Parts: sequence; structure tokens; C-alpha cells
Amino acid sequence: SQKIEQNSEALNIQEGKTATLTCNYTNYSPAYLQWYRQDPGRGPVFLLLIRENEKEKRKERLKVTFDTTLKQSLFHITASQPADSATYLCALENSSASKIIFGSGTRLSIRP
Amino acid sequence: SAVISQKPSRDICQRGTSLTIQCQVDSQVTMMFWYRQQPGQSLTLIATANQGSEATYESGFVIDKFPISRPNLTFSTLTVSNMSPEDSSIYLCSVRTLLEQFFGPGTRLTVL
Repeated sequence: SQKIEQNSEALNIQEGKTATLTCNYTNYSPAYLQWYRQDPGRGPVFLLLIRENEKEKRKERLKVTFDTTLKQSLFHITASQPADSATYLCALENSSASKIIFGSGTRLSIRP
Repeated sequence: SAVISQKPSRDICQRGTSLTIQCQVDSQVTMMFWYRQQPGQSLTLIATANQGSEATYESGFVIDKFPISRPNLTFSTLTVSNMSPEDSSIYLCSVRTLLEQFFGPGTRLTVL
């Protein structure tokens, strides 16, 4: 069955460092991979989308890589800030864009 | 972008009763989704509700338990029927525009 794995344990990073989160998947060939941020008590907020034929995408301090051979995406936050503390969800989408499946998320804490 | 509101934001219900959750979007959208998120878990898609057609349910979810209405392009309801404590969860409405997905704030349901 389709499976998405993200770091199950929380990630604690010193402010100013780069945070790197990992998303691995099996039994799936997504056309798109997305990253979301979710704060406690709130719905997820879309951050970035990367297509299967793209290797890397950047948006301000965020960078996402997508390796369809390794079936892995890395999500980087450079110059991390305490306000970046949240849970980050990886999501996969098929080519018909009809359904998105989510990973369980990684909780990121940035300490001052 | 799309702004989504949900009612109620939270509720505590007795087992055996039903609760209807409302989702209102500030723009017309074709694709609307209902998700469930249990504590510490990721989002699980319940069903896809497109206006003018029957909702499409994911494996493990049935219409008798989770009836959905989609009367127009800005509104949908999800009913959780004959509730049990296992239905305690956060229920999220979501819509899609182009390649971006937006989520409502969620409805936190506790079943006693």
C-alpha cells in the first residue's frame, strides 16, 4: 500500500541554523509533492509544490528537493527562526490532481 | 486564494447522536474535500464532494456514516452519524484551486 514516512520524532534546531526535514514514500508515483505547515489547533497551510520533473524549488528561506529515484523529498528552512516552529506535513498527489495523501508530519522546534 | 470557515469550531456530543459540520468558502470552487485528523496523526481523506454529483468516499468511509451535501460551489456539510468515541477527531474541510489546496480551521469533535 502507499506509504509516506516523515521523521517521527521532533526536530530541535538552534535559531539561525538550517532545518532539514525528510519525506520518503513507497508504492507511489506522485506527479506532485507538496509541503504544508500546521500550527496547533489550525488547518494546514500550503507552502510549496514541486513537480515530478523538477529537482529543486525555492521560496524565500524555503527549499524543497524531489528525488523520484530515491523516492524522497527534503525540505530545508534556512536561517531558521522561532516563528518557524510548527509541524510540517509532506503530501503526495497523483497526476489527475484528484487526491492528496499526507504524511504524519514532523514537529519542528526552533530554540532562540 | 480561498478563505474557508467551519461551524462549529468544536463540540462535545453524546454517543449515538449526529453532528453536522458546515463549510463555507469565500469563492466558488469545484473540488471540495473532507478530512479527519486524529490527535498526533496525519490527515485522512474521508470523501471528495464535487457540486452536482454524489460524493466519492475513500476506503473505510461510507455514506451512511458520513453523509455529505454540496448544494452549491461555496458550501458543503459533513454529518457524523450515530457517533461513538472513536469518531472523536478534528474534521477539516478543504478546497482546491489550480495546484494549491486550502484548509479550514477544523472542527474539534469529542464524543463521550
